[in-house]
Order: sequence, then structure tokens, then C-alpha cells
Amino acid sequence: NAGVMQNPRHLVRRRGQEARLRCSPMKGHSHVYWYRQLPEEGLKFMVYLQKENIIDESGMPKERFSAEFPKEGPSILRIQQVVRGDSAAYFCASSPPVGRALDTQYFGPGTRLTVL
Amino acid sequence: AQTVTQSQPEMSVQEAETVTLSCTYDTSESDYYLFWYKQPPSRQMILVIRQEAYKQQNATENRFSVNFQKAAKSFSLKISDSQLGDAAMYFCAYRSALTGTASKLTFGTGTRLQVTL
Repeated sequence: NAGVMQNPRHLVRRRGQEARLRCSPMKGHSHVYWYRQLPEEGLKFMVYLQKENIIDESGMPKERFSAEFPKEGPSILRIQQVVRGDSAAYFCASSPPVGRALDTQYFGPGTRLTVL
Repeated sequence: AQTVTQSQPEMSVQEAETVTLSCTYDTSESDYYLFWYKQPPSRQMILVIRQEAYKQQNATENRFSVNFQKAAKSFSLKISDSQLGDAAMYFCAYRSALTGTASKLTFGTGTRLQVTL
């Protein structure tokens, strides 16, 4: 059973460009979470999605950031007009849909975004 | 809002010895989950151990065990027979047992563990 997959692993963008980060959850998982880790800090929650629905986006900046999890295909975290402060590691996690097993989130390897 | 505090930025242990990493949390909820994740230099987040708050028995996974003190809101991680591969950043995390908007993990700031020969 393949784990959570994220691509690209490394992404370099110039200020003002757009960044698209992709996440494919583990097989059978329908819940996806995005977290951001700034250098030398812990992970901070950004958004929680189920298929075609945003459940909680309380950690997402109001501007320039958006996320989706379509019926088919990976979840996408999109950052428009990137700034240097967006440089961070972005982690995706997934969890299964039923029972108390919902409690455990499994993480992907992360995407390291560098904004020049 | 829940908070998670890890008061030890760095810890060091000799190979084969035992080390304990501290974690405290603040919540008004009675049902929740606690986790320890390991982040090695590869930066992959690896689940080490989990504890359900309604269970009094402390969780154990091979060389890793926890000391869960619900009344004190304390959740420490003990690593026995430390190995070089245990060197990593360790994060304590909290998750409500409620679903929906409470599903997010709240992380501490981490403890960097060094393992020496």
C-alpha cells in the first residue's frame, strides 16, 4: 500500500509566480490535511478537505492561498503571487474515513518551496 | 484553543541509554488523541506512537513508550536502548476526538534528539 505521495519534492519560484503543490492520499483515504512548516518551527495546520469539500480552512491565509480536493485526482494547494515569506516545507497528510481510525494522520514527504 | 508545549529544545542521549522527552498540553476536552511524530533529516514525518485519552494504559511500541498523565495533561515519550537512527526532531501533537473542524493536529515546537556513541 503506497504511502501519501507529494510532488514536486522541491519547488523554486520567483516572487510573483504561482506555486502548485500536489498530494495523493493513501489508498482508501478520503481525508486530506495540509500543514506548513517554517524553518526551525513545528507544523502549523492550514486546511482540511474531504472529496470535493473544504471542511476547515481556519489555518489558511485569506489571500493568495487556495486548496481543492476534486472527485478525481490529487489534492492541490495553490499559492498565487508567491512572496519570500511563503518559503517553507508544505506537508500533506491523509486519514481513513471510518471509525476511530480517523484519528491517525499519515504524512507525505513534503514539498520544500523556495521563493527567490 | 488547544496548545502543546515541548519545553526541551534539545536533548542528548548515549547509544543504548534511555531518554525521556517531555510534552504538556492544554485542553478543556475530555476525549482526544495524542501523538509523537519523528522527523529525521529527510524531513519525513513518521508516526512513532499514539495514545487515546480514554485509555488509562500507556501505549508502547517496541522501544518507545509513553507516560500519559491525564490529570496533569502530560504526555512524555521514553526511548529505551537508544540507537543512532533515533536521532531526529520529535514532535508531540494533539487532536480532538471530535470530527469535522476539530480534526486538525496541533503540534508542539519540537525537541531535537542527538544520539552519541
